[in-house]
Formats: sequence, structure tokens, C-alpha cells
Amino acid sequence: AQTVTQSQPEMSVQEAETVTLSCTYDTSENNYYLFWYKQPPSRQMILVIRQEAYKQQNATENRFSVNFQKAAKSFSLKISDSQLGDTAMYFCAFINNAGGTSYGKLTFGQGTILTVHP
Amino acid sequence: DGGITQSPKYLFRKEGQNVTLSCEQNLNHDAMYWYRQDPGQGLRLIYYSQIVNDFQKGDIAEGYSVSREKKESFPLTVTSAQKNPTAFYLCASSSRGVFNEQFFGPGTRLTVL
Repeated sequence: AQTVTQSQPEMSVQEAETVTLSCTYDTSENNYYLFWYKQPPSRQMILVIRQEAYKQQNATENRFSVNFQKAAKSFSLKISDSQLGDTAMYFCAFINNAGGTSYGKLTFGQGTILTVHP
Repeated sequence: DGGITQSPKYLFRKEGQNVTLSCEQNLNHDAMYWYRQDPGQGLRLIYYSQIVNDFQKGDIAEGYSVSREKKESFPLTVTSAQKNPTAFYLCASSSRGVFNEQFFGPGTRLTVL
């Protein structure tokens, strides 16, 4: 079974600074995708960034970037120039191409609450 | 505007009652999903459907039931067999293809009184 672990229940950062959220996962599959989702206080889930496992290049989306270490099964999220609107819970998620009952199934980590202070 | 709607936003239920949560999407997505969110546990998959008239159990299907009679709709019934139904419920949808992004609705908060 696949598992996703986020070891930081809470993080805080000052506005304009950089913060890194950690995520590790466990799978025996070779073909999969990894995601970071953001859930602000409104509780609406928003996709932040996506990484394909077969791509060596780390994904970036504006101020958000990932450090994908496939051998170590690590997928951290870096937020640069943090803004007050980045305050949210962040979830790391995993989906594989195993087929069968795993088809389309996202596995989520426990989440990290990020607070950006002015 | 295209998107996913869930209703109601808040729902209260007495013990022993069944209750149905609504999820509708106008994104023309084939696949739809139901997740449960509890504090400190992230999201867990209850049921999912890849096509009309077909659905599969997720990790925590016991005490829940679904139907998929229309492409746009995927209602979730929380039955009296669900031992601890108080939670936040999220519906999602995606286009066909296992790696396609899942788009989420705004959620329903269910409280059992």
C-alpha cells in the first residue's frame, strides 16, 4: 500500500521569507504523480503544483517549487517570498498507475498547517 | 462558470438517520470522487466512479453508499451504519485518465447531534 508522510504538523514563516514543507512517500511503483494541494481557511482545495515521476526536472509554478528526490522518495515544497495569502493547510498527495482498485486514487498526507506572519 | 457544487454547506443529522450529500459538476468530467476529512488525518477516499452506472469502494466505504445515474451527479448517502459520521466531506472530479488533476468542491460539514 502507498503511504504519504508529512512530518511537520505546523510551520510558520515571516512574510517575504522562504519556507520548505517536507513530504516523503512509499511506493513500489515506478510510474506515478505527486501533488501539493493548498487548503486555506475557506477549506477549498486548490492544486499548487504537480510532478511527474519520470521527469527529473523539478516542477515550478511562480513562487512555488519542489525538490523531487525519487531515490529517496522525497517531495518537498518550497515557497519563496511568502505572502499572507499563503496561510493554509498544505497536503502532499500521490497517485500511481497501478490500475485496478488503485486507479484514480489519490493518497494524501496528514497535512502541514502553514502560518505566514506579517 | 464551470465547477463543482456541493450542498448543503452545513448538515445536521440525528443519530440513526440516513442523510444524502449532493455533488454536481458541469466540467464534463468522467470521474468523480468522495473524500472524508478529519482533523489530523488528511483526506481519505470513500467511493469513486470512473463512468456512469459504475463505482468502486475506496479505503473507508463502510457505512456509506453512492449512485452515479448521471455524468454530472454523484450523491453520497451516509447511513446509520456509519459509526462516526461527523466530518468534512469533499467531492472531486477529473477527466478520464488516471493522472489528471482532481478538482474539488467547497465541501459539506456533517454533524451528528
